[in-house]
Amino acid sequence: QKEVEQNSGPLSVPEGAIASLNCTYSDRGSQSFFWYRQYSGKSPELIMSIYSNGDKEDGRFTAQLNKASQYVSLLIRDSQPSDSATYLCAVKRTGRRALTFGSGTRLQVQP
Amino acid sequence: EPEVTQTPSHQVTQMGQEVILRCVPISNHLYFYWYRQILGQKVEFLVSFYNNEISEKSEIFDDQFSVERPDGSNFTLKIRSTKLEDSAMYFCASRAASSYEQYFGPGTRLTVT
Repeated sequence: QKEVEQNSGPLSVPEGAIASLNCTYSDRGSQSFFWYRQYSGKSPELIMSIYSNGDKEDGRFTAQLNKASQYVSLLIRDSQPSDSATYLCAVKRTGRRALTFGSGTRLQVQP
Repeated sequence: EPEVTQTPSHQVTQMGQEVILRCVPISNHLYFYWYRQILGQKVEFLVSFYNNEISEKSEIFDDQFSVERPDGSNFTLKIRSTKLEDSAMYFCASRAASSYEQYFGPGTRLTVT
């Protein structure tokens, strides 16, 4: 079982729609969760962090965490073509320094 | 806005040569990391560094790799004898003591021929 799993996509949504990106993780000891955006050939850029169950909103982005289901998601409202990128889910396990990344979901926003 | 910087942006080297990748973390950050990403694959953790010592390393980080903070601003990754399979993007990241959020530099593309 992969430690952090994401659907590779591509997820295609029309401009202005809500994009929903999902991630599951295997280690129940995970404590911190992050969403990064990575444009092709570029480095990961931090979008959101979430540590507690529930929703966390920042502008057009909402992260959702459900530790019981070992599930974290990212909603992007009013999607723009500039949101087209690969979205990486990263997890920090308790007692570890490292972030463990998923393979990423490629999002395409169609104008 | 402060950011992590890395040099060089692209390094080409021959198999068996030593390379040093350089990073300047965000100035008030205390935790430093190296990750790598082989083309088309996921981002993989290599090593974390805090208080002038390695705090965690992955299986990838074998005896060919070393890290150093030679002065108050630079953080380096050395690969002693490069192999073809070391070809990848290498990212430096840093974080503040007050947060688990890691901020990545732009990366160094290492090509081993």
